[in-house]
Amino acid sequence: KNEVEQSPQNLTAQEGEFITINCSYSVGISALHWLQQHPGGGIVSLFMLSSGKKKHGRLIATINIQEKHSSLHITASHPRDSAVYICAVISGTYKYIFGTGTRLKVLA
Amino acid sequence: NAGVMQNPRHLVRRRGQEARLRCSPMKGHSHVYWYRQLPEEGLKFMVYLQKENIIDESGMPKERFSAEFPKEGPSILRIQQVVRGDSAAYFCASSRQGGGTEAFFGQGTRLTVV
Repeated sequence: KNEVEQSPQNLTAQEGEFITINCSYSVGISALHWLQQHPGGGIVSLFMLSSGKKKHGRLIATINIQEKHSSLHITASHPRDSAVYICAVISGTYKYIFGTGTRLKVLA
Repeated sequence: NAGVMQNPRHLVRRRGQEARLRCSPMKGHSHVYWYRQLPEEGLKFMVYLQKENIIDESGMPKERFSAEFPKEGPSILRIQQVVRGDSAAYFCASSRQGGGTEAFFGQGTRLTVV
């Protein structure tokens, strides 16, 4: 079993839909990082959080430390949101452990 | 303030050749991390370096792979005598400090071994 699990692995949505991507982890962490990767592209940082909730534009990330769970929400989804979303936890002082990603496709 | 710069973006090598991947961290960042992303797999930690020091290389294959981060210049990930299984995307990230601070990622180098 992976130390960081994401669900779903693949997600197709219609433009405008509310999207939720989940991340569960089994290790102690100092922080959790949500990342976005476009096909063939680099990795962009979305949020880094260690408690509570953060919001940026149409993106919202929450984390529940007790339940070892985080969610990434996208409101009013758009085709340009199509990408792979990666959850990564920082275990120990610096080591990133990555989920395998959620592949999102938003249809116009 | 430029982000993390990696070059080349794409690298093709024949089996047995050497591959050199470069990473220039963000300005002010002295901590560099290398990760490998195999096709259809998640990213895996390879090595963590600070200037002139390897802090943790527990994710590096024991043979053919080496990394350095000299006092001057970019960090280099070197793969000697490449094999087809080395084909992957290699990502570099940097942070201002260690200890759980946010790391910023580069665009990656996509290595193809033919």
